Amino acid sequence: EADIYQTPRYLVIGTGKKITLECSQTMGHDKMYWYQQDPGMELHLIHYSYGVNSTEKGDLSSESTVSRIRTEHFPLTLESARPSHTSQYLCASSEGDRAQETQYFGPGTRLLVL
Amino acid sequence: GENVEQHPSTLSVQEGDSAVIKCTYSDSASNYFPWYKQELGKRPQLIIDIRSNVGEKKDQRIAVTLNKTAKHFSLHITETQPEDSAVYFCAASKGSSYKLIFGSGTRLLVRP
Repeated sequence: EADIYQTPRYLVIGTGKKITLECSQTMGHDKMYWYQQDPGMELHLIHYSYGVNSTEKGDLSSESTVSRIRTEHFPLTLESARPSHTSQYLCASSEGDRAQETQYFGPGTRLLVL
Repeated sequence: GENVEQHPSTLSVQEGDSAVIKCTYSDSASNYFPWYKQELGKRPQLIIDIRSNVGEKKDQRIAVTLNKTAKHFSLHITETQPEDSAVYFCAASKGSSYKLIFGSGTRLLVRP
């Protein structure tokens, strides 16, 4: 079934650790996005990609980095986690044209940095 | 910068009543306006969207209206049911790009 997958779903980690949040989609979409969302609060775009080897920073400043080597894969990396990074991270994807620009979201990764 | 304001932040209605959530946007070039529903612990899911060349769109109990001149759009839910309880987010495209700017969310509670 076409979907967006995120792993891990929950992560508790100590300050200073390097972490990578995985996002994969089997939707065949060109565009992918990372959002940061505190529980029940608004979504903030932190990274996006319009295709392979294309990545841009979003509107919310983030210390994370992303890569897009394969169409279906868009991992997010934090080189040195801090308590201020505690949040939920949502990955999304959308089609490549105006007629189908709905963004579909993954289930999210809840990150707690101690 | 561009922003989207959403009101109210919380809304409590009796089952069967209507609910209205309003959003205003600042970027006159925005041309795509989706609404998402997020249940507790779940991912946001699109419930309806509208483009700038349309003033109103309806899907069963849900409707969205858009006033481009005033730069505001609204979500209308009729005959509300307890399963409509969730957080609803409006969003507007950043200009004509594929990026979205989200509102702060409305927590809707439908009382049985």
